[in-house]
Amino acid sequence: DIVMTQSPDSLAVSLGERATISCRSSQSVLYSSNNKNYLGWYQQKPGQPPKLLIYWASTRESGVPDRFSGSGSGTDFTLTISSLQAEDVAVYYCQQYYSTPLTFGGGTKVEIK
Amino acid sequence: QVHLQQWGAGLLKPSETLSLTCAVYGGSFIGHYWNWIRQPPGKGLEWIGEIIHSGSTSYNPPLKSRVTISVDTSKNQFSLKLSSVTAADTAVYYCATSPLSCNGGSCSQSYFDYWGQGTLVTVSS
Repeated sequence: DIVMTQSPDSLAVSLGERATISCRSSQSVLYSSNNKNYLGWYQQKPGQPPKLLIYWASTRESGVPDRFSGSGSGTDFTLTISSLQAEDVAVYYCQQYYSTPLTFGGGTKVEIK
Repeated sequence: QVHLQQWGAGLLKPSETLSLTCAVYGGSFIGHYWNWIRQPPGKGLEWIGEIIHSGSTSYNPPLKSRVTISVDTSKNQFSLKLSSVTAADTAVYYCATSPLSCNGGSCSQSYFDYWGQGTLVTVSS
C-alpha cells in the first residue's frame, strides 16, 4: 500500500496570509508513461463530504478559487492557500490514485489565528 | 452535473450486515468508477472499494472478506454490503464517483469528483 503522510496535523494562519500543507507518499505516484502525478487534494468542512480541490497534483477543479494551488511531483506535494479566507477553515486531505488500495493522508486542520 | 443520493440503515447490531445504496443522477454510468469510502467519527478517510459498470470490483484488503459492491445499471445505482459488522465499523459512509483515467490501452480509477451526502452508520448492541 502507498502510505500518504501529511504535515502539519494542524496550522493556524492569519486572514490574508499564506497556508502551506505538505503531503508525502511512500512511493512515487508519477506515472512515467503520461508524466502525470496521480495525486488529489480535498477540502472537508464539518458535517459535509470532502470536496475535490486539485487533481493531477496541480489541476484546479472547476469553480475552485485560484488562491488554491497544488505543486510537487513524485513523492512530495504541496497545497497552498495564497491568501487565507474565513471560509477556508476546514480539514484538507491528499489522496493517491496511482494504485489500489486508494489511500488518503491523515488530514491537516486549518484554522484562523 | 452529477448528483449522488445515498440511503440505508443507520443503526446496526454487532454481526449484522450493513447495506447502503447510492443512486446516480445526471451522469452516465459508463466512464466512471463507483466507490465507497468511510470516515469514523473524528478520524480520516478510508477507501472501501470500487466497481465499474461492467461489474468488475476492487476492494481494500483489510475489508475484502466482508465487502460486496454491486451495480444495477438499469437503475443507475450501486450498493455496498459489509457483513459481520462490529463497533469498529461505526463511521460515516460516502459513495463517490471517479472518472476513468485511460493511458494507452488501459484504464484505471482517478480522483473522486462527486460525493454523496454521507450516511452515519452506528454499530451498537
